[in-house]
Amino acid sequence: QSVLTQPPSASGTPGQRVTISCSGSSSNIGSNTVNWYQQLPGTAPKLLIYSNTQRPSGVPDRFSGSKSGTSASLAISGLQSEDEADYYCAAWDDSLDGSWVFGGGTKLTVL
Amino acid sequence: EVQLVQSGAEVKKPGESLTISCKGSGYSFTSYWINWVRQMPGKGLEWMGRIDPSDSYTNYSPSFQGHVTISADKSISTAYLQWSSLKASDTAMYYCARRIAAAGLWFDPWGQGTLVTVSS
Repeated sequence: QSVLTQPPSASGTPGQRVTISCSGSSSNIGSNTVNWYQQLPGTAPKLLIYSNTQRPSGVPDRFSGSKSGTSASLAISGLQSEDEADYYCAAWDDSLDGSWVFGGGTKLTVL
Repeated sequence: EVQLVQSGAEVKKPGESLTISCKGSGYSFTSYWINWVRQMPGKGLEWMGRIDPSDSYTNYSPSFQGHVTISADKSISTAYLQWSSLKASDTAMYYCARRIAAAGLWFDPWGQGTLVTVSS
């Protein structure tokens, strides 16, 4: 049971816009920034969005992030076949001694 | 280029010990914490713990406290994840990741992963 809640799956056709949600609590998303990681099949996770809305260099502007209260979202516009991957949200959690918490991951299928 | 390069895949028996490594290059190794993340087969990401290579201060997720040890040798820019007695349930892919702290916290880059298989 992951601390952050994501839908297990999402899908879309090429060119469509899809969004993936990430729900947390006041101790994690509510008080810290959210990051998103993309894991292509058989590879290590890669930073996709950091500090809620920022894209690292090299990440297409088709990817965007947002945060409101204790929830965050990842939006992918102009969906492409190479976007088929698992997507994870993550945030620092201030409870107890502090720890990183992840969402359970969302498998994105491009139909 | 900033890189984290991990040691190769391991196959071990239950009860055996194991140490895997994560070597940083292209940056000041002591300036960034190294984190370890587990991914069990077909499952999501779980944070295990972290080390500050400058002073080897560590803290662990309660889920992993007492079962693994994280260490670092700053002279060779390498962090380690160690088990003294493996269990079959330790079978997983393990990633190291560098933590960046600047108007937020995030992991970048990640190592390529080390697959650990524990089977009798």
